[in-house]
Amino acid sequence: TQLLEQSPQFLSIQEGENLTVYCNSSSVFSSLQWYRQEPGEGPVLLVTVVTGGEVKKLKRLTFQFGDARKDSSLHITAAQPGDTGLYLCAGSPLEGGNNRLAFGKGNQVVVIP
Amino acid sequence: ETGVTQTPRHLVMGMTNKKSLKCEQHLGHNAMYWYKQSAKKPLELMFVYSLEERVENNSVPSRFSPECPNSSHLFLHLHTLQPEDSALYLCASSQERLAVLNTGELFFGEGSRLTVL
Repeated sequence: TQLLEQSPQFLSIQEGENLTVYCNSSSVFSSLQWYRQEPGEGPVLLVTVVTGGEVKKLKRLTFQFGDARKDSSLHITAAQPGDTGLYLCAGSPLEGGNNRLAFGKGNQVVVIP
Repeated sequence: ETGVTQTPRHLVMGMTNKKSLKCEQHLGHNAMYWYKQSAKKPLELMFVYSLEERVENNSVPSRFSPECPNSSHLFLHLHTLQPEDSALYLCASSQERLAVLNTGELFFGEGSRLTVL
């Protein structure tokens, strides 16, 4: 079973629309990170959320950490073609692990001009 | 110039070849990692080095052999690979509290796309 489930796996939207993608788990995390990976590139860190219920904004991107620190969401307002990419969430579970960072499979987002 | 540089960007090799992937980080970090990224699968952690000592080998087949000569350089030596080893191999670095590794923020290279024929 996957430690971090990301949904939807694939999302295609028109420029200017809003979108939300999700990262869910049954485990509690000390923190969660979101990365964006563009075609032919490595992942780039966007944000780290640490506190349950925390909301962080990065221009048109809004990240939220669930109150129970088991899940997170990423909302993009007025999406642009430059937002196209694979969004990866990653976290270290507080229990049952070796503190290793676990990654989800990613949310593939395509923004059509 | 990115903080983590990987070469080559693309590599095609036969199953009997021997090749190496190289990674260099310019960030002064104390930990380096090799990840494997395959289609429709999450990033798989292969090896972790902290202060040039290998601290983790995640059940990786012996046909993959890492080397970390210093804190800035990391290699992945490849020999007698299989077609299922074709993937994007990502190097990353981070600055970690030494008691707890791989929980900090990772800085990735652009990856080496490997195709095994």
